[in-house]
Amino acid sequence: EAQVTQNPRYLITVTGKKLTVTCSQNMNHEYMSWYRQDPGLGLRQIYYSMNVEVTDKGDVPEGYKVSRKEKRNFPLILESPSPNQTSLYFCASTRTGWETEAFFGQGTRLTVV
Amino acid sequence: ILNVEQSPQSLHVQEGDSTNFTCSFPSSNFYALHWYRWETAKSPEALFVMTLNGDEKKKGRISATLNTKEGYSYLYIKGSQPEDSATYLCAFPYLTQGGSEKLVFGKGTKLTVNP
Repeated sequence: EAQVTQNPRYLITVTGKKLTVTCSQNMNHEYMSWYRQDPGLGLRQIYYSMNVEVTDKGDVPEGYKVSRKEKRNFPLILESPSPNQTSLYFCASTRTGWETEAFFGQGTRLTVV
Repeated sequence: ILNVEQSPQSLHVQEGDSTNFTCSFPSSNFYALHWYRWETAKSPEALFVMTLNGDEKKKGRISATLNTKEGYSYLYIKGSQPEDSATYLCAFPYLTQGGSEKLVFGKGTKLTVNP
């Protein structure tokens, strides 16, 4: 089954404690991206990757890092989480060209206290 | 930051009503326009990917039209049912000056269908 898998689904952490949210897709998609969703602001892109070892900043990259060492995986790293990073995070993947839809992971609800 | 506008922000209708909402996007450098349906506590799921001016797509009671020259798309739901309650997102892919591909989402239209 074609899917994008995110882990964990829920996470409560403390300010400053490094964390990683994993994302994996089994569709051999070139393009992967991370979004955060906050009330009234919609889905905002954090980082994206057009292929292995090719990543770029989205609209709200501050406080986040990513890596793309393998085509299937695109982890999101918060080196020193802060309360303003409390949000709902989605990973998505698609073939490049955008003529096909993006597939989303199940979401990660992160709370930073 | 490129703007994709959706209206209205929210909509309450009665079961059986037909409804529609709008997505506005830049009309230049058009590649495609996506519509997604996002139910509470779930992930967004694709409804349509539209690529041609004048395109019209249909899935059951939901249909969408596209006008790339004026930069808008309409999503229609005929005979709304409570299970249609969701947030409907449109997304606009574009190529940055640096050659990167980005997908920008509108803020969505939240539809509530009352039984």
